[in-house]
Amino acid sequence: EVQLVESGGGLVQPGGSLRLSCAASGFTFSYYWMNWLRQIPGKGLEWVANMKQDGSEINYEDSVKGRFTISRDNAKSSVFLQMSSLRAEDTALYYCARGGVLHGFDIWGQGTVVTVSS
Amino acid sequence: QSALTQPPSASGSPGQSVTISCTGTSSDVGGYNYISWYQQHPGKAPKLMIYEVSKRPSGVPDRFSGSKSGNTASLTVSGLQAEDEAAYFCSSYGGRYNPYVFGSGTEVTVL
Repeated sequence: EVQLVESGGGLVQPGGSLRLSCAASGFTFSYYWMNWLRQIPGKGLEWVANMKQDGSEINYEDSVKGRFTISRDNAKSSVFLQMSSLRAEDTALYYCARGGVLHGFDIWGQGTVVTVSS
Repeated sequence: QSALTQPPSASGSPGQSVTISCTGTSSDVGGYNYISWYQQHPGKAPKLMIYEVSKRPSGVPDRFSGSKSGNTASLTVSGLQAEDEAAYFCSSYGGRYNPYVFGSGTEVTVL
């Protein structure tokens, strides 16, 4: 079964850090762009960051540039999101998703909740 | 504030059709044929329903169709069924420096 499973979310104080993980299974992970997106409950979706198959290209949404770092380990079929200098407005449900421009985000995880609050 | 504009709600009776619009600009919707639509049921992850304006992933019923005219993309759900009641989000490629823009979402109600 093709699957993405996120972990690492939690409650963190403003200015703190958190590392999200996403474990893939059921497909050849190294063949795909991988993404992180987020959603405030009851609100729309926001793309956060992505990384090319071999890590040679990385993109970030403007509000997270310099604070978030995406990385991947193809040997472990995993993608990560290191988040630092967290702000209240980063509070959301974070999803990892496979894919990109050409074919859309075709596989999503179930999400992990990040809450930034004192 | 979402970059793409969608109506907040739409509805139809079982068997009827409903069309959801997604309006952007020439920098996103109007400039590229990379429009995707996602269905999201409460408490669930989004599901890809349409990509590249009108293509359906394997397993998506042909009741779902997509189109585009100028700066507006549309998703039509024909033969509405109870399980189609969900939120629908559009997304467009927005260029190298703003690659993915999303709509605010439309809640579809099956009456």
